[in-house]
Amino acid sequence: QKEVEQNSGPLSVPEGAIASLNCTYSDRVSQSFFWYRQYSGKSPELIMSIYSNGDKEDGRFTAQLNKASQYVSLLIRDSQPSDSATYLCAVRGNQGGKLIFGQGTELSVKP
Amino acid sequence: DGGITQSPKYLFRKEGQNVTLSCEQNLNHDAMYWYRQDPGQGLRLIYYSQIVNDFQKGDIAEGYSVSREKKESFPLTVTSAQKNPTAFYLCASSFQSMNTEAFFGQGTRLTVV
Repeated sequence: QKEVEQNSGPLSVPEGAIASLNCTYSDRVSQSFFWYRQYSGKSPELIMSIYSNGDKEDGRFTAQLNKASQYVSLLIRDSQPSDSATYLCAVRGNQGGKLIFGQGTELSVKP
Repeated sequence: DGGITQSPKYLFRKEGQNVTLSCEQNLNHDAMYWYRQDPGQGLRLIYYSQIVNDFQKGDIAEGYSVSREKKESFPLTVTSAQKNPTAFYLCASSFQSMNTEAFFGQGTRLTVV
């Protein structure tokens, strides 16, 4: 089992719709969770971090964390073509340490 | 400007040669990381360092080496033992404490011919 797993994708949504991206992780003691966006040929940029159970909203983005289910998700409301990118889920264990990424989900927002 | 600088952006090397990728940060971050990304794939951890003069292997350390002699610098050497070195290499850094975010440099695209 991979440490961090994401939807295989690609995920295609129409402009204005909600895009839902999912991620599961295997290490129960993981404490920090991150979503990065990566455009083709570029380096990842951080868009959301979440550390406690529940929802965290930032503009059109909402991160959701459920530690009991070892599940973290990212919702993008009112999706725009500029949101088309690969979204990477990352998890860090307790006491800091290594930061592990999932394989990424490619999102395509169609005008 | 504060940030993470990787150099060079593009690098070409002949098969069998060692090559060193540079990563420098001026964010006063304690931890630094090296990742490898292949086309259509996620990021795989090569090495990480949480403190000067100490580093840990990641999932794919074979054929790579690192040093952490200064807090600001974490160079990665791709040795001739790495069987398939052509890839996009990404360096990141963060503060050491648990709930802190990591930020990336712009990456180095290495092509071995």
